[in-house]
Amino acid sequence: GAVVSQHPSWVICKSGTSVKIECRSLDFQATTMFWYRQFPKQSLMLMATSNEGSKATYEQGVEKDKFLINHASLTLSTLTVTSAHPEDSSFYICSAKGEGTDTQYFGPGTRLTVL
Amino acid sequence: GENVEQHPSTLSVQEGDSAVIKCTYSDSASNYFPWYKQELGKGPQLIIDIRSNVGEKKDQRIAVTLNKTAKHFSLHITETQPEDSAVYFCAASGDTGFQKLVFGTGTRLLVSP
Repeated sequence: GAVVSQHPSWVICKSGTSVKIECRSLDFQATTMFWYRQFPKQSLMLMATSNEGSKATYEQGVEKDKFLINHASLTLSTLTVTSAHPEDSSFYICSAKGEGTDTQYFGPGTRLTVL
Repeated sequence: GENVEQHPSTLSVQEGDSAVIKCTYSDSASNYFPWYKQELGKGPQLIIDIRSNVGEKKDQRIAVTLNKTAKHFSLHITETQPEDSAVYFCAASGDTGFQKLVFGTGTRLLVSP
C-alpha cells in the first residue's frame, strides 16, 4: 500500500514554455500533498504544501506565480512550472499523506530539463 | 524553525559490517522522525520511522534510536549488503501546521563486497 506515482518521469522543454507534473496517490486518500525540488547531490527542499480543495502554502523564496499548484482531488495534485528557464531544471518530487497521519510517501520524481 | 543536521556525509563500509548515521534536531516540539533511502534517480523510500513516545524501534536489520533529551536520533544498519548502498536522509516534523518534514543533508552509504 501507500503508493504515489508521478507523471511524467522526465521531461525536456524549451525555455519559455510551461510544464505540468502530476502526482497521484494510488491506494489512499491524500489530504495533504507536498512538492519538493532536489538539485544534484543535495537534500530535498520543500517548495509548497497543498491541501485538497484549498490554496497551496508556499515556502519562503518560492514564487507562487511561477510554480502553480492545484490539489483538485484527494488523489491528484499538479505542479505547473510556468515560463520555464534553464535554472528551473531540477528533480521535482511530490509526497502525500493521509488525514490524521504524519507519514509521507514519496513519488518517484520527475526530472525536468529546460533547454 | 526546525534545523536538522546529519553526519557523516559519506560512509564506506565492508559488506557485513554495521553502519550508523546520526542526526540532531533543534526544535524540542518535533515528535516524528522518519528515515528515507534514496537510490540514484528515484524518489525517497521510507525505511523506518519513530515517534517521540518511543526510544527505539527495530525492523529486521534496521533500527532507529531516539534521545529526546539530547535531541538526536540515529539509524543503525546491521549486516550491511551491497544493495544497502544509497543516500539516506533523516527528517523531523512536529504537530504544527501541515506536519512538514525538515530533512537532513543526507549520507551517502557505500557498501563494498
